[in-house]
Amino acid sequence: AQSVTQLDSHVSVSEGTPVLLRCNYSSSYSPSLFWYVQHPNKGLQLLLKYTSAATLVKGINGFEAEFKKSETSFHLTKPSAHMSDAAEYFCVVSDPGDNYGQNFVFGPGTRLSVLP
Amino acid sequence: DAGITQSPRHKVTETGTPVTLRCHQTENHRYMYWYRQDPGHGLRLIHYSYGVKDTDKGEVSDGYSVSRSKTEDFLLTLESATSSQTSVYFCAISLTSTGELFFGEGSRLTVL
Repeated sequence: AQSVTQLDSHVSVSEGTPVLLRCNYSSSYSPSLFWYVQHPNKGLQLLLKYTSAATLVKGINGFEAEFKKSETSFHLTKPSAHMSDAAEYFCVVSDPGDNYGQNFVFGPGTRLSVLP
Repeated sequence: DAGITQSPRHKVTETGTPVTLRCHQTENHRYMYWYRQDPGHGLRLIHYSYGVKDTDKGEVSDGYSVSRSKTEDFLLTLESATSSQTSVYFCAISLTSTGELFFGEGSRLTVL
């Protein structure tokens, strides 16, 4: 069975400093991994995805994530936080499994606050 | 933006009344999903569809039913709404069973 752990429920950084949001997963297969962002009262937007190509994945708005199979991790980073990055971030894992579509498992989310 | 429209976006109803939420897509994606989002629980899958008239239950399906009579529409019905179904409901679509999900803007339902 798949599972996702987001190690921090809340991260607070100052504007212009690096961002690190941590995600660990478990999967019986070679998974696909995603990071989504949700701004208040909005739907979830895809930031980036890993699908077994390059282990370092670049996404939108300067975010990137590195897939580390040995550590079963997929941490999200950004070199310099911007006020507009304040939002909820979700790590998601999917693998083929045995189902037609019940394959996505969401982490509980990490709320990112950016201080001026 | 993915062509996903949810309606209504906001609804207040009373316990015991039926409620139907609609998800409409213009992307011709095969897979459609209904999730609910609650504080402390993240997103939980209610039902999903892998084709017209092909649907299956998710982890929190009790009290909900769905229908998909055409590719572009996926309806979520609460036959008799309860206060525990107060939530934000998100529709999502994907082209494949493991590809990325695209989300609608959400429907906020309040059951009094």
